[in-house]
Amino acid sequence: GAVVSQHPSRVICKSGTSVKIECRSLDFQATTMFWYRQFPKQSLMLMATSNEGSKATYEQGVEKDKFLINHASLTLSTLTVTSAHPEDSSFYICSAVSPHSRGGADTQYFGPGTRLTVL
Amino acid sequence: KQEVTQIPAALSVPEGENLVLNCSFTDSAIYNLQWFRQDPGKGLTSLLLIQSSQREQTSGRLNASLDKSSGRSTLYIAASQPGDSATYLCAVVRGGTYKYIFGTGTRLKVLA
Repeated sequence: GAVVSQHPSRVICKSGTSVKIECRSLDFQATTMFWYRQFPKQSLMLMATSNEGSKATYEQGVEKDKFLINHASLTLSTLTVTSAHPEDSSFYICSAVSPHSRGGADTQYFGPGTRLTVL
Repeated sequence: KQEVTQIPAALSVPEGENLVLNCSFTDSAIYNLQWFRQDPGKGLTSLLLIQSSQREQTSGRLNASLDKSSGRSTLYIAASQPGDSATYLCAVVRGGTYKYIFGTGTRLKVLA
C-alpha cells in the first residue's frame, strides 16, 4: 500500500533555532498534504493544508510565519518551525492524499510522525 | 464547526471481553469516517474506513458502524487481547475537503 515517510523521526533543538521536518509520499504523487500536531495525551489538530505549487492554507490560530510550509514537488512537503520555543514541543504528523486509489475513493495516508523537543 | 467526541475517554477491561467504543460528530455532512489506532509515541494505523454511503465495515475482530443521520459511529472489538491496548481515534472528513477532524480519543487497556 501507499507509504508516507517523515524525517527526522525525532529531533531535539535549542530554543530559538529552526527545525525542518520532511514529509514524503514514497509511491504516489500527492498534490495535497496536511500537517497535524499532537500534544501529549491529546488528539491531532490540523495545522495547515499544503498544496503543491501554491501557498499553504493555515487553520485558524496557526501562525504562518512560525510554521513555514513548502510543497515543492508532488512527493515532498516540508514544515519548518522557525525560532522554536519549548511550547512548540509536540508530535507532528503529516498526511498525503492519494488520488483515485482503490475503490475510486481518494485515500489519505499518514506519516509515522516526528517528535520535536525544544529545550 | 465540526466537533468529534469519543466516549469513554479511557477504558480498562479484562482480556476476552467484547467492547464498544463510541464516536459522535456534530455535522452529518461528512465524506467518510475512519477509525485509527495509535500506540504510545507512534503514528496512526488505519483500522477501518467507512464511506458516507456505507453503514459498516468489518476487519477481523473489528466492526465499525456509521449512522450519519444521528452523527454516530461505533467501533466494536470482539474478544479483546492485551495487544489491542492503544489509543483509538475516530476522524471524519467533510465532503468537498480532505481535512480530517479527529476525535478526542479513547485510551484502551486490555488486562491479561
